[in-house]
Amino acid sequence: GAGVSQSPSNKVTEKGKDVELRCDPISGHTALYWYRQSLGQGLEFLIYFQGNSAPDKSGLPSDRFSAERTGGSVSTLTIQRTQQEDSAVYLCASSFGVGETQYFGPGTRLLVL
Amino acid sequence: GNSVTQMEGPVTLSEEAFLTINCTYTATGYPSLFWYVQYPGEGLQLLLKATKADDKGSNKGFEATYRKETTSFHLEKGSVQVSDSAVYFCALSDPGDTGRRALTFGSGTRLQVQP
Repeated sequence: GAGVSQSPSNKVTEKGKDVELRCDPISGHTALYWYRQSLGQGLEFLIYFQGNSAPDKSGLPSDRFSAERTGGSVSTLTIQRTQQEDSAVYLCASSFGVGETQYFGPGTRLLVL
Repeated sequence: GNSVTQMEGPVTLSEEAFLTINCTYTATGYPSLFWYVQYPGEGLQLLLKATKADDKGSNKGFEATYRKETTSFHLEKGSVQVSDSAVYFCALSDPGDTGRRALTFGSGTRLQVQP
């Protein structure tokens, strides 16, 4: 079946602009995670959605970052007023349930000029 | 808090050599342990996992055993191939206080296999 998909695959933006990154999880997966992979910080957790529960936002690095998940499926990660340090690969993962194996999308490579 | 420490790379081996990539962890609860692999230009793929002490995960000739007494999950392969060249990430999933089971990753180890 289809895996996790993300769009766009690459995004170049200017400092100060807002960007939206999209994640389409595997059908039927109730848990969805966003991670960030950067040279300086490695792979780090950003935010977690499980079913209809309130998201766990404890990994978001600043209030410029937000995410939503509509209808328990597609998720959008929004970064407002982008900064150069936001440049990274943003990865989305989904799992059938909490504690189940996470499957990753190909990522969105964000470059802030 | 949770953490994963894995050996620095790059690791450079000749084809058919034996591979070990060390991984140790610190966790507050009873974690599940994973190895993910990232081939050049591709996303993260699950390589193998183990969910409790003494479990052995295996896939594609790779193995790792969950050692609670040494808090380790070292990755091994008896005979590497050029196609195994990739970055390998050790990770853990620990419910902790929140139950969210987000993955905590090591820094990654780049493996280069030469023909």
